[in-house]
Amino acid sequence: LAKTTQPISMDSYEGQEVNITCSHNNIATNDYITWYQQFPSQGPRFIIQGYKTKVTNEVASLFIPADRKSSTLSLPRVSLSDTAVYYCLINTGGFKTIFGAGTRLFVKA
Amino acid sequence: DVKVTQSSRYLVKRTGEKVFLECVQDMDHENMFWYRQDPGLGLRLIYFSYDVKMKEKGDIPEGYSVSREKKERFSLILESASTNQTSMYLCATSRGTGRYEQYFGPGTRLTVT
Repeated sequence: LAKTTQPISMDSYEGQEVNITCSHNNIATNDYITWYQQFPSQGPRFIIQGYKTKVTNEVASLFIPADRKSSTLSLPRVSLSDTAVYYCLINTGGFKTIFGAGTRLFVKA
Repeated sequence: DVKVTQSSRYLVKRTGEKVFLECVQDMDHENMFWYRQDPGLGLRLIYFSYDVKMKEKGDIPEGYSVSREKKERFSLILESASTNQTSMYLCATSRGTGRYEQYFGPGTRLTVT
């Protein structure tokens, strides 16, 4: 399974755009990149998934370069309620999904 | 909306007790998962079930067993609880494996004293 590396923590202010980058050098051809968000005392929640180039939904954008060895989750205009842990995952075809330690984002007023 | 419920939000048990954690989903998903979450370690897969009575070991199955008698219900059993099993336990469900989204329950914080 491809291992991911992402920053342990990040700070931001309300209204700013936040970009969290994840490295996954050993990603395989058929792997997808998925991001989850977890608030305190809750289970993780799916945010976005992509294979290549750019994906956008109502919550975030995901940028994936051509070599796919990294990806960047972009959160536009964060608010205090975006304070959470963000996990970058590589999905292979099997049932095992590795959630690393994630990136703890703290949004300040 | 998928709803995944777990039997307890908080649980305190004594060392050596048999502990049952139950998870129920209402979306008719084939796949169900049990994870534990510890600070700095992320989520680690304990067991996975892909059908009634079918299961696969995850990364850390030692000290745990599971039961899936009905499609909507997946139970995690700690045969003899130990203090190192104090953790947050999360149940998840999905329509498929691989790239399919996992839907998580709220978690059970288990403390073993």
